[in-house]
Amino acid sequence: QITLKESGPTLVKPTQTLTLTCTFSGFSLSTSGVGVGWIRQPPGKALEWLALIYWDDDKRYSPSLKSRLTITKDTSKNQVVLTMTNMDPVDTATYYCAHSVLGIAARPGGGWFDPWGQGTLVTVSS
Amino acid sequence: DIVMTQTPLSSPVTLGQPASISCRSSQSLVHSDGNTYLSWLQQRPGQPPRLLIYKISNRFSGVPDRFSGSGAGTDFTLKISRVEAEDVGVYYCMQATQFPWAFGQGTKVEIK
Repeated sequence: QITLKESGPTLVKPTQTLTLTCTFSGFSLSTSGVGVGWIRQPPGKALEWLALIYWDDDKRYSPSLKSRLTITKDTSKNQVVLTMTNMDPVDTATYYCAHSVLGIAARPGGGWFDPWGQGTLVTVSS
Repeated sequence: DIVMTQTPLSSPVTLGQPASISCRSSQSLVHSDGNTYLSWLQQRPGQPPRLLIYKISNRFSGVPDRFSGSGAGTDFTLKISRVEAEDVGVYYCMQATQFPWAFGQGTKVEIK
């Protein structure tokens, strides 16, 4: 059974850096065809894809946020970390991490997300 | 970037009646590997999203067979053959063929 859980601060001040950790079990991020992504959802709004890390450490980012995002993995700890710099109140959202199944026949592989973590609400306010 | 457009944004449905959600992409979602990475997710109130359908029409494990997906290229549809009370929530299409991956705006399914 695959499970993921997000952890990190619930409140950050404007201009601060947010660091979120996704701790997972039930799969290895060194297995071909596996990835972990981050998605966020402002209150009452739609889902927004942020970043994805592949099993081979290939990393992809949302172009609109690329300058502020960094995704890394620690395979030995079964963790993926997302950092977002220069936080602003508009970044207030529930942040989800999700397991991804990825194609390997052509790169970068396409895929889908399942399952998702429960999400963590991050509020940006002074 | 590929833009995903869902219609309708809201769908009031009578219990036991069918529901249909359309999703259109601004570009073809056919990947160079031949697959089309279009998926559908359900988000019940207060819950994280849950995968229903992947690669257009593949029902995920445990998903009731009243849910079905169809389409090709740029036009896709999610159908619920007979809506049940537990189907209330917001449904999203998502393209994962080309980066940046993208979601539709969501369609809220509610009971009349």
